[in-house]
Amino acid sequence: AQKITQTQPGMFVQEKEAVTLDCTYDTSDQSYGLFWYKQPSSGEMIFLIYQGSYDEQNATEGRYSLNFQKARKSANLVISASQLGDSAMYFCAMREPSTGNQFYFGTGTSLTVIP
Amino acid sequence: KAGVTQTPRYLIKTRGQQVTLSCSPISGHRSVSWYQQTPGQGLQFLFEYFSETQRNKGNFPGRFSGRQFSNSRSEMNVSTLELGDSALYLCASSKLAGGSETQYFGPGTRLLVL
Repeated sequence: AQKITQTQPGMFVQEKEAVTLDCTYDTSDQSYGLFWYKQPSSGEMIFLIYQGSYDEQNATEGRYSLNFQKARKSANLVISASQLGDSAMYFCAMREPSTGNQFYFGTGTSLTVIP
Repeated sequence: KAGVTQTPRYLIKTRGQQVTLSCSPISGHRSVSWYQQTPGQGLQFLFEYFSETQRNKGNFPGRFSGRQFSNSRSEMNVSTLELGDSALYLCASSKLAGGSETQYFGPGTRLLVL
């Protein structure tokens, strides 16, 4: 079974609008970490936001917020007020102790912001 | 604080050759992980080193090997290159190797095997 599932290969959003990128995960661990990364066409992976499994509040970092629904095992990324520079690939990832805290990445979602 | 650096940034090799890629983590970071990224397979975990010891290994053949030095710098070696080894190789570092530790990535090395 896939540890991380991102079901949206591509998404389009109008500039200044909000967009939600979906991520579901699979783990039996009680403690785990969830991460989102952005990869522009240059190739470098840029860390966006982190959510711990025991964090009761949804994580926020500027225009990024993580909609964490533990019972549904989902960790969706919300980008508010989209900008042209947000066009990139977005990857959801997880670390879990039972597999040595190895990072597992999803297949990514390509986001295109339309002016 | 300087980020993760990787050298070289671009590399062209021919089948059968070997290649060594280098990664310098963020100062103070002791964990270094390597990933292979291809359009077909996505991001695949190669291995992780912490304090000079390999902690985790992905599902890659023995042609892929790595090591970490006492200053936390890491090298990855691929022997007997195959066309399918053409990929973006990403290195990432974190302070420790715990579940809440964020990994910070370098710019990657683009390897083309002809």
